[in-house]
Amino acid sequence: GAVVSQHPSRVICKSGTSVKIECRSLDFQATTMFWYRQFPKQSLMLMATSNEGSKATYEQGVEKDKFLINHASLTLSTLTVTSAHPEDSSFYICSASRDRSPYEQYFGPGTRLTVT
Amino acid sequence: GQQLNQSPQSMFIQEGEDVSMNCTSSSIFNTWLWYKQDPGEGPVLLIALYKAGELTSNGRLTAQFGITRKDSFLNISASIPSDVGIYFCAGHLSNAGGTSYGKLTFGQGTILTVHP
Repeated sequence: GAVVSQHPSRVICKSGTSVKIECRSLDFQATTMFWYRQFPKQSLMLMATSNEGSKATYEQGVEKDKFLINHASLTLSTLTVTSAHPEDSSFYICSASRDRSPYEQYFGPGTRLTVT
Repeated sequence: GQQLNQSPQSMFIQEGEDVSMNCTSSSIFNTWLWYKQDPGEGPVLLIALYKAGELTSNGRLTAQFGITRKDSFLNISASIPSDVGIYFCAGHLSNAGGTSYGKLTFGQGTILTVHP
């Protein structure tokens, strides 16, 4: 159990366009979902925390108008990178936790975004 | 922000050797987690620890929650080539509440290379 999927796994887009990344918990209801960004050979950097039906909580320094997060249901959260620029190129990973083990986060496989 | 000091940063070992890595912090945690990340993938939860002094095994992996609640270690016995990857410790601060509830603090990672 505790499987999280992400779609797409890779995306290449042109500068100025927007990209949407989906994160789904496949076999459990996710109380909370988290979005991370990871640079090569570095640790995970938390971008925001989202709970179903409420606004996401963004970490300091993360532009909420640029990284739009929607947590429409207990199994789906989306991250939209708006007006993407080359510096937004990165590996984006989502995770989800469930009520019975709120401190355990289960990660998706990640999305490699390349902005040209 | 809060940091976990994870060491060593990297390890190069021969197949069959045992491995040990650890994480320390100046703050108290109520949960310690160990993850493994393969290249281009999301982290996979290996072991979760909830009580000070707890020693938990998962196959060839053993992890312990330090008595002071400020450290944890992970041991891998009889390493094999598929153990290659980045290992992250993560913890949930015991005083985390409000918007910090459920958020994890990550170590910098230990890159493990196993030579056949």
